[in-house]
Formats: sequence, structure tokens, C-alpha cells
Amino acid sequence: EVQLVETGGGLVQPGKSLKLTCATSGFTFSNAWMHWVRQSPEKQLEWVAQIKAKSNNYATYYAESVKGRFTISRDDSKSSVYLQMNSLKEEDTAIYYCTLQLSHRFAYWGQGTLVTVSS
Amino acid sequence: DIQMTQTPSSMPASLGERVTISCRASQGISNYLNWYQQKPDGTIKPLIYYTSNLQSGVPSRFSGSGSGTDYSLTISSLEPEDFAMYYCQQYDSSPLTFGSGTKLEIK
Repeated sequence: EVQLVETGGGLVQPGKSLKLTCATSGFTFSNAWMHWVRQSPEKQLEWVAQIKAKSNNYATYYAESVKGRFTISRDDSKSSVYLQMNSLKEEDTAIYYCTLQLSHRFAYWGQGTLVTVSS
Repeated sequence: DIQMTQTPSSMPASLGERVTISCRASQGISNYLNWYQQKPDGTIKPLIYYTSNLQSGVPSRFSGSGSGTDYSLTISSLEPEDFAMYYCQQYDSSPLTFGSGTKLEIK
């Protein structure tokens, strides 16, 4: 059974940093393309970042809204993907979901972790 | 970026009713369109991929259609577990973008 479990969310002040972790199991993580997708308080879903597999040189891609502030990474030995979020803004407040891409769709989603950016 | 306009934003409906949710892209997306369901507890799962292909395990009362810029999700006869949020998502070009969602509510 595929499982994706996000942790690391919380309340943080604007300008500060936070690191999210997505621990996975139930599939061959080293071959997987992984994403972070967030959902705003208004329920809008927004793709945030993608990281491809070692065979794709761990290529990474970002939404313009987070480029230069967020970094996606992975540790294949731990079957985990991370999202380092720096210089956080109030508009980054959202539930952050980790997702597994299969054949051009987000085939599996975690339960999400809430990030609140507020002073 | 490709904008996805989803309508309606909310839809009251009754058990057994047939409902259709629409999704319009700001430019042609060559059928590269997926649909997702989000339950009230936040759980998200894929329903339909590449416009009309049913994800494994999804009931046959769900169907998808469309082409060019206009796509739709139809539920032929609403069951209690279908009352949820629905989102379309295009993967024709980066960045991947979602519709704003449709909340299917019990009438």
C-alpha cells in the first residue's frame, strides 16, 4: 500500500524558514517523480515543486511564486522528499501535500501538513 | 500559465441526480486533463486521467469528456459518498494548474 506522510508544518513568522518532510512507503521511491502541491485557505490548489529521479539527474522545477525561496530535495535511502521553505510570506499559508506522479497524474496524495505564516 | 475556469463553484444536488461539472482552459490542452476528488477530511484522490480514463477503483458512474478547451466531469447518479470537492488539472504545459474547485453539496 502506497503511503505518503507529511510532517513539519506549523506556525511561523514572516521571513522565517520551515522544512517539510514527506516519508513514503509502498513503492519504489528511487524511481519516483515527486511533487509538492499546496491548498490555500480559499481551497485553491497550486502546484509548488517537482523533483525527478536519479536517472533524470534529480531535476527540479518550481512555481514562479516560490522560485528562489523554496528548495525541494530527496533522500532515496530514506524514501523521503523534503521542502525547505525560506523567507516565508503570509501568502504561503496553506496545507502542503506531497504527491506521487504516475503517468502524468498525481496518483497518490498525503494527508497534508498545515503551514501558517503569521506574526 | 494556462488558466483553468471551473464551473459551478458550488452545486446543490440530490441523491440519484445526474450532475455535470465543467472546466474551461484558457487555451487548448489537447485532452491533457485530469480530475480529482477531495473529501471533507482533506483526502485527495484521482478520478479521471487524460480526459476520459477512469482511475482504477473509481465507480463507473463517473465519466469525463471534452476536447480543445472545454472539458466536463459527469456523475450519472449521485451516491452519498460523492458529496465532496472536485478539481480539474491540466498537464499540457508547465506550470501544472488546477481549476478553482466545485463543491458538490446535498440539496
